[in-house]
Amino acid sequence: GAVVSQHPSRVICKSGTSVKIECRSLDFQATTMFWYRQFPKKSLMLMATSNEGSKATYEQGVEKDKFLINHASLTLSTLTVTSAHPEDSSFYICSASGQGAEQETQYFGPGTRLLVL
Amino acid sequence: AQSVSQHNHHVILSEAASLELGCNYSYGGTVNLFWYVQYPGQHLQLLLKYFSGDPLVKGIKGFEAEFIKSKFSFNLRKPSVQWSDTAEYFCAVNFGGSTLGRLYFGRGTQLTVWP
Repeated sequence: GAVVSQHPSRVICKSGTSVKIECRSLDFQATTMFWYRQFPKKSLMLMATSNEGSKATYEQGVEKDKFLINHASLTLSTLTVTSAHPEDSSFYICSASGQGAEQETQYFGPGTRLLVL
Repeated sequence: AQSVSQHNHHVILSEAASLELGCNYSYGGTVNLFWYVQYPGQHLQLLLKYFSGDPLVKGIKGFEAEFIKSKFSFNLRKPSVQWSDTAEYFCAVNFGGSTLGRLYFGRGTQLTVWP
């Protein structure tokens, strides 16, 4: 149980375009979802936390107008990278926690590799 | 500032060797502690966690970790590693023990096990 999926697994886009990444909890209700960015040989950096039905809480230094997060249902959150630039190329990972999964534990998706040309 | 440190960046062992990966955090209050593993090409998986109670916790695949409050540490151990344990290991801490709260991650330790 407690499976989280992400789509797409990798995406290549042109500079200036927008990219949407989906994060789904497959077998539990994700009341909270987290979005991370992972740089090569570095740790996961939390970008934002979203609670279902509420606005996301962004970490310091993360542009909320650039990284749009929507958590409209208990099984789906989306991250949209607007007007993507090459420096946005990275590995984006979501995690989820909530009802039907182990308490106070985050379950991670497989990640999305974004390459902006 | 709250932070998590993993001092071993890359550990190389032979099969059957014992493993200990260090994790320290900077906070004197209540914490929830986690170890996650990321196998090559796969997503992060929970190895074990500590919230309260017995400070020695056992996880999956023969791993265990010991919470030593006085040392602000939560080291991961395995008595005999296997080639299949080759992966990246991340220590993560939820400071304040808040429900569904954010995690602070260490930078990770790459473990390479030679057959």
